[in-house]
Amino acid sequence: AQKITQTQPGMFVQEKEAVTLDCTYDTSDPSYGLFWYKQPSSGEMIFLIYQGSYDQQNATEGRYSLNFQKARKSANLVISASQLGDSAMYFCAMSYRWRQNFVFGPGTRLSVLP
Amino acid sequence: SQTIHQWPATLVQPVGSPLSLECTVEGTSNPNLYWYRQAAGRGLQLLFYSVGIGQISSEVPQNLSASRPQDRQFILSSKKLLLSDSGFYLCAWSRPLQNYGYTFGSGTRLTVV
Repeated sequence: AQKITQTQPGMFVQEKEAVTLDCTYDTSDPSYGLFWYKQPSSGEMIFLIYQGSYDQQNATEGRYSLNFQKARKSANLVISASQLGDSAMYFCAMSYRWRQNFVFGPGTRLSVLP
Repeated sequence: SQTIHQWPATLVQPVGSPLSLECTVEGTSNPNLYWYRQAAGRGLQLLFYSVGIGQISSEVPQNLSASRPQDRQFILSSKKLLLSDSGFYLCAWSRPLQNYGYTFGSGTRLTVV
């Protein structure tokens, strides 16, 4: 069965510093996608970044990068130059081919300190 | 461009009352549609998904039901709400046969009292 693990329930980072949010996954499907979503206090789910299982290079989107280590089944999110507006819940998620479905991790609450 | 609308934003309902949450998608056809629930401080739990009109798959047996009367309309319902139905409900859509992510609606915060 597919599973996402996020071992950091909460993280603190100083403004302007970089932070890494951990995500490990478990699947036997050779084709899958990995995603990170941000959920601010308003509740909306905001897509941040995507990594396909066959992608050779790590995905990057502005200040977000995904450190994809396929052999270790990890997909950590790196946020560079943290901003106060980055304070939110962050969810790692995985899609898999034979079901049009995602599985989400439990989330990590990031707090950016001024 | 595609947009997803979900309403109402907040709802307070008494135990035993009915529920109807609506979600519509614009700018695309034949989307996959999903209902998720998020309990306070928790992750997302998939409730229902639909790959076409009238096609509903239930992930969690409970007193909720879903319907898809039109291609871009997805409705979450209950005949009698329970206290445990309180939570944050999110609708989402994705392109069929592509695992390129969901786009979520803005959510409905339901409080059953």
